[in-house]
Amino acid sequence: GESVGLHLPTLSVQEGDNSIINCAYSNSASDYFIWYKQESGKGPQFIIDIRSNMDKRQGQRVTVLLNKTVKHLSLQIAATQPGDSAVYFCAETPGGGYNKLIFGAGTRLAVHP
Amino acid sequence: NAGVTQTPKFQVLKTGQSMTLQCAQDMNHEYMSWYRQDPGMGLRLIHYSVGAGITDQGEVPNGYNVSRSTTEDFPLRLLSAAPSQTSVYFCASRTASSGANVLTFGAGSRLTVL
Repeated sequence: GESVGLHLPTLSVQEGDNSIINCAYSNSASDYFIWYKQESGKGPQFIIDIRSNMDKRQGQRVTVLLNKTVKHLSLQIAATQPGDSAVYFCAETPGGGYNKLIFGAGTRLAVHP
Repeated sequence: NAGVTQTPKFQVLKTGQSMTLQCAQDMNHEYMSWYRQDPGMGLRLIHYSVGAGITDQGEVPNGYNVSRSTTEDFPLRLLSAAPSQTSVYFCASRTASSGANVLTFGAGSRLTVL
């Protein structure tokens, strides 16, 4: 399948541990943020989103934290499983509408048994 | 319900050749877009459309043309391919009424320009 990226930062975790993937965004006017997961040979899949009027949002096994002061976003995955192995992208929508989604470079998560 | 379908999955071109990457969605989504993905650079927006007959440029539009004659289809055209256009291309769509930007992506098309 299509390769996602050859020089991505990699986070290696043991199965069952919690994972934290970090992202620094660039535009202080961004008001909406999304995390996507991309498995090898597939297109990105939506995980969770958060608006700028929130600082935390929880989903099933995932939590997104937003720190607007330092323009930082994180994705926490609880009890990481082998199926979580993928490349994770944060994306931001600069203020003024949702037509342009700007992606970060991505982080590869490797889960070891 | 097939979602977002891209064709071809793989294509090799010579410099200067033209081709069209096809994208079709069966979800009646108003918004469609094209991204390219290069190693270490994430996804970059090429062009997008908010409805039939309406298109606009993204971050990296040069060298690409689009049109949107129907709600379902959003083809991406390379009129004169260059090696710098070697990449993996993703089409994505969403409903305009979602109020957010939760895109559904296709599986991608890998293009190599020699």
